[in-house]
Amino acid sequence: GESVGLHLPTLSVQEGDNSIINCAYSNSASDYFIWYKQESGKGPQFIIDIRSNMDKRQGQRVTVLLNKTVKHLSLQIAATQPGDSAVYFCAENGGGNEKLTFGTGTRLTIIP
Amino acid sequence: EAQVTQNPRYLITVTGKKLTVTCSQNMNHEYMSWYRQDPGLGLRQIYYSMNVEVTDKGDVPEGYKVSRKEKRNFPLILESPSPNQTSLYFCASSFLLPRQGDEKLFFGSGTQLSVL
Repeated sequence: GESVGLHLPTLSVQEGDNSIINCAYSNSASDYFIWYKQESGKGPQFIIDIRSNMDKRQGQRVTVLLNKTVKHLSLQIAATQPGDSAVYFCAENGGGNEKLTFGTGTRLTIIP
Repeated sequence: EAQVTQNPRYLITVTGKKLTVTCSQNMNHEYMSWYRQDPGLGLRQIYYSMNVEVTDKGDVPEGYKVSRKEKRNFPLILESPSPNQTSLYFCASSFLLPRQGDEKLFFGSGTQLSVL
């Protein structure tokens, strides 16, 4: 079946540095992708999304890049802060399914 | 404040004792969904609902029931809980159906369920 996965389960970054979290997907029909952030004890929160007709989308300190050729998605966080420490999930809508499929998550730790 | 509210936050029960986890949203969302989160497995969808009286199975529906009698409420029912249903559960809702192009799910704070 189709799946969404992450390359690394954990990532440690020095405060102030940029971080990149990667995500691979296998469903070529996927046309919508989302990144969520989950802090300890809380539900996932929407960060940024991107449609398959775009390669890049920027938000506040975050950028999502989509490479449809290799089915790869990344989340870049600029100038990381302690509050960025969380688990980050990518999710995709399989191009017509009435649901989002989530990856297993990457834990980002910001080192002071 | 726009939110998805789940209750209870924590629940410890015994095998076979029926329980209900409530979920309510105040955003007039059509779409609601239940997920369970287990270590190493991410978020897996249990059931979803696209509107009142319309519910469908997700990826892991066995052992669960849901109902959608009102737009704002989407309770998750475990008729006979078993230890393998020990998990962290999230309710979520969105304003538009995923297929219509706005899949920004809003999540509740979660319910940690332990079945002994």
